[in-house]
Amino acid sequence: DTGVSQDPRHKITKRGQNVTFRCDPISEHNRLYWYRQTLGQGPEFLTYFQNEAQLEKSRLLSDRFSAERPKGSFSTLEIQRTEQGDSAMYLCASSPRGTGFTGELFFGEGSRLTVL
Amino acid sequence: AQTVTQSQPEMSVQEAETVTLSCTYDTSESDYYLFWYKQPPSRQMILVIRQEAYKQQNATENRFSVNFQKAAKSFSLKISDSQLGDAAMYFCAYRREYGNKLVFGAGTILRVKS
Repeated sequence: DTGVSQDPRHKITKRGQNVTFRCDPISEHNRLYWYRQTLGQGPEFLTYFQNEAQLEKSRLLSDRFSAERPKGSFSTLEIQRTEQGDSAMYLCASSPRGTGFTGELFFGEGSRLTVL
Repeated sequence: AQTVTQSQPEMSVQEAETVTLSCTYDTSESDYYLFWYKQPPSRQMILVIRQEAYKQQNATENRFSVNFQKAAKSFSLKISDSQLGDAAMYFCAYRREYGNKLVFGAGTILRVKS
């Protein structure tokens, strides 16, 4: 297993366009998270899935944002009608199930979005 | 809401020397986890060290150790014998005991001089 993978790594789009990011977590991990990181800041929580259920969403996740994890494996994060303020690194992370869970998240390398 | 504060935007250390990165947090919870994550340039974030709040003993991982002061809500990271590969952005993070998310600080850029 090669860890959490994200695609695409970089996306440049024009304001008003829709974009979609994909995340493939570590295969045995049932928890999946999306974070957003702007330049010079720490990651901010967007949403969390346990299996296919979206259990928590941040108020940062406006109506233009939607995340899915249809079969409890990979996840997609879609941003509709992008705005310049959406420019950021979108990080995906996963973690395993079970009593041994200690809170550590395993991160992907991120998908960088630039909105022109 | 919980908050995490890293007051040092940037730190420098000479190779082989020791450096301490500061972190404070605010919470009303008694049980929680604290983490230091490292984010090298253009690479994924990885866990450096973890501390459970119920443990009084400070966590240690090789050259990395923490000074956890629960009453003061302080959680600093000490890196001993600094190496060039330690250069990165370091994030302090908090998680409630049964929470689903990490709350991160703004990060500290660590530069290592040879």
